[in-house]
Amino acid sequence: DSGVTQTPKHLITATGQRVTLRCSPRSGDLSVYWYQQSLDQGLQFLIQYYNGEERAKGNILERFSAQQFPDLHSELNLSSLELGDSALYFCASSVSGQVGYTFGSGTRLTVV
Amino acid sequence: GIQVEQSPPDLILQEGANSTLRCNFSDSVNNLQWFHQNPWGQLINLFYIPSGTKQNGRLSATTVATERYSLLYISSSQTTDSGVYFCAVGGAGSYQLTFGKGTKLSVIP
Repeated sequence: DSGVTQTPKHLITATGQRVTLRCSPRSGDLSVYWYQQSLDQGLQFLIQYYNGEERAKGNILERFSAQQFPDLHSELNLSSLELGDSALYFCASSVSGQVGYTFGSGTRLTVV
Repeated sequence: GIQVEQSPPDLILQEGANSTLRCNFSDSVNNLQWFHQNPWGQLINLFYIPSGTKQNGRLSATTVATERYSLLYISSSQTTDSGVYFCAVGGAGSYQLTFGKGTKLSVIP
């Protein structure tokens, strides 16, 4: 157990639907990062939050949004899902931006 | 953005052999990490090494920031070392990590 908890582990949903992925960071970590891993794009940075505030944005689609709550857990919302959104979604956490990141076990999303 | 190239893309080793994985990056970085993705998909942080040399058991890593490359050494490889090894870098003022495409390592008994 890495200390970063992601739920659910697997998700199967239909095109056009909306899902929410949840991440609880390691105790004491203030930064949360979301990454998408697909076969064609590899590991892509989506978004980072630090202590409740958005810090950096990467290749995140407008249909996707995220937030970090006061208890530091984070949620990634994916809407109007398309077949191409099928991927592994990882959450990672760190104390700050200049130390090693700890990844959760990921959520495997399948859009059918 | 920063470009990250890893080599070789694939590597097959006999158990007990040593290997060196390379990561080249296109710009100066202040964050460099090596990860191992095991066959079950879990990403494990091996090293945070923006410069210098570190060792952890059979694994060691060296980053020469001025020449923009990093090396990961695996000695006496075991079947449990199989998986994909990723190098990820972050530039000055950037909080995001850019990942390379990885090196897929297969260790056979």
